[in-house]
Amino acid sequence: GENVEQHPSTLSVQEGDSAVIKCTYSDSASNYFPWYKQELGKRPQLIIDIRSNVGEKKDQRIAVTLNKTAKHFSLHITETQPEDSAVYFCAAGLSGYSTLTFGKGTMLLVSP
Amino acid sequence: GAVVSQHPSWVICKSGTSVKIECRSLDFQATTMFWYRQFPKQSLMLMATSNEGSKATYEQGVEKDKFLINHASLTLSTLTVTSAHPEDSSFYICSARAQRGSYGYTFGSGTRLTVV
Repeated sequence: GENVEQHPSTLSVQEGDSAVIKCTYSDSASNYFPWYKQELGKRPQLIIDIRSNVGEKKDQRIAVTLNKTAKHFSLHITETQPEDSAVYFCAAGLSGYSTLTFGKGTMLLVSP
Repeated sequence: GAVVSQHPSWVICKSGTSVKIECRSLDFQATTMFWYRQFPKQSLMLMATSNEGSKATYEQGVEKDKFLINHASLTLSTLTVTSAHPEDSSFYICSARAQRGSYGYTFGSGTRLTVV
């Protein structure tokens, strides 16, 4: 089955800095890579996703890049703000009704 | 947008009792729902995949007789934790695909279960 590795497990940055979280996956058939943000005690919220036919996608301060050859994808947050502080999960899966395999999460702390 | 409603949001029960958690898709039909368990400061671990009208598919290591899943309609899936023990205390969360052909998954709000 799929295996997703996520790094780092914790990340502390100053407000305004950029943050990068990286994930690798094992199943070359995976073609869908979402990123979720989870605040304490709340449900994960989809913040951005990318499909295997795209190398990069951007939405305001958030961007995701995908390298299918190397089987890794990354989340980039620019101009970080304290409200960006949360746990971020990457995931990988197949289209259709397949399950998603999640990374172990990255706790991002943005200090004012 | 697609909404998944999950109840209860938190529950405290005594050891040996059973607890039922419900997930409803409010504005779409969810042929498949996924049930996850999340321990503090850990990731989401898939427990089972719930298919409407058929038996759930459980992940390795998850006891099907302890975690009963019923998906009787296209809008409702339930997870029953039977004979709960303190080690079953966790955050349980469901998710469903918003619509056929889409990639996005919508999560329920989660249920914090504490077994005392």
